[in-house]
Amino acid sequence: GNSVTQMEGPVTLSEEAFLTINCTYTATGYPSLFWYVQYPGEGLQLLLKATKADDKGSNKGFEATYRKETTSFHLEKGSVQVSDSAVYFCALNNAGNMLTFGGGTRLMVKP
Amino acid sequence: NAGVTQTPKFRILKIGQSMTLQCTQDMNHNYMYWYRQDPGMGLKLIYYSVGAGITDKGEVPNGYNVSRSTTEDFPLRLELAAPSQTSVYFCASSYSLTSDSYEQYFGPGTRLTVT
Repeated sequence: GNSVTQMEGPVTLSEEAFLTINCTYTATGYPSLFWYVQYPGEGLQLLLKATKADDKGSNKGFEATYRKETTSFHLEKGSVQVSDSAVYFCALNNAGNMLTFGGGTRLMVKP
Repeated sequence: NAGVTQTPKFRILKIGQSMTLQCTQDMNHNYMYWYRQDPGMGLKLIYYSVGAGITDKGEVPNGYNVSRSTTEDFPLRLELAAPSQTSVYFCASSYSLTSDSYEQYFGPGTRLTVT
């Protein structure tokens, strides 16, 4: 079956630090990959996506590259801000009708 | 557009009570979903619907029921609430299931405590 594994949090960084949140997946075929973000007290919002191997999704300074050879979709940002503090979820969709989510990684950015 | 709205925001139930969580979307999306999010965990799909009158079970359907009489509304019913149903519940909707246009829009959630 499908599964998504994320690094456990919380991840605590100082403002302007570099961010990496690891995500690996198990799936048959060619899934689409997503990062969702959940700000405190809110629902999830799509942050970025990639639909095929070697695609790079990007939004709001965040990037992630679909690496089929390593079954990974790591989230990166060059310089985090306090406002980036949130929970980040990696997810996949594999030609079915459900998203499979990872467990989420909490990011805390200190001024 | 209001997007996806959920009511109530918070609720405390006693064991054995019943309740309905409301979800409405105004984006004319044909697909709708209910998830639960347990502390420190990812989201698990409870039920989903591909259109009015059509529903199907997700990963964790036991203890819940749904209906979809209109495109806009997708209520989730809890019968005989149990402490294991203490969670945050999210409703979501999407227009298409094709992976190249896939995005789910989430409501703000309902925090339910069963004691």
